[in-house]
Amino acid sequence: DIQMTQSPSSLSASVGDRVTITCRASQRIDRYLNWYQHKPGKAPKLLIYAATSLQSGVPSRFSGSGSGTDFTLAITNLQPEDFATYYCQQSYNTPPWTFGQGTKVEIK
Amino acid sequence: EVQLVESGGGLIQPGGSLRLSCLASGFTFSSHAMIWVRQTPGKGLEWVSYISGSSSSRYYADSVKGRFTISRDNGENSVFLQMNNLRDEDTAIYYCARDDLGIKFDFWGQGALVTVSS
Repeated sequence: DIQMTQSPSSLSASVGDRVTITCRASQRIDRYLNWYQHKPGKAPKLLIYAATSLQSGVPSRFSGSGSGTDFTLAITNLQPEDFATYYCQQSYNTPPWTFGQGTKVEIK
Repeated sequence: EVQLVESGGGLIQPGGSLRLSCLASGFTFSSHAMIWVRQTPGKGLEWVSYISGSSSSRYYADSVKGRFTISRDNGENSVFLQMNNLRDEDTAIYYCARDDLGIKFDFWGQGALVTVSS
């Protein structure tokens, strides 16, 4: 199975900050990498798919980069509604599709 | 508007069975594969199962293989997860989600809580 490792596991930031979250795959996955936002009691929300494509309706302050094994999610001008847990997920080849362990973005 | 609504969660004793349902609306249900993902207490997301639009392909995580069965009824726009021989470690919020071309899970439900405890 492909293992996904996110870092950091949590971070504290202020409104207006720029934050980055990294995700590393245990093998090459081309650009088959998605990012989700999850808030307690809510449905997870797709932010970025295929490593760099912004899902429809997602603010442009979210961006993704990377290919192969190393990927990054960046959030510029952090807004109050952005405080949540973020997960990367690989969709390479056949199942199992695996998620990173999550990064909790908290208010400083 | 795409909507996914899970139901069927609850408290169940170890060894028991439960059937989750997910009712979909707002899209051509039969054209999309569907998945189940769970979030265990204090932990992250774990993919559980997949079913193709025609039900011809089904996949399971090793942790549930042989105990869980995924199915769908395209006439009722619903996907199901039959969970047998439940264990304490199956306690989780279970989400159904739409698979888009095997690339991304683009819409999710709000989740159904399953608690396995004696």
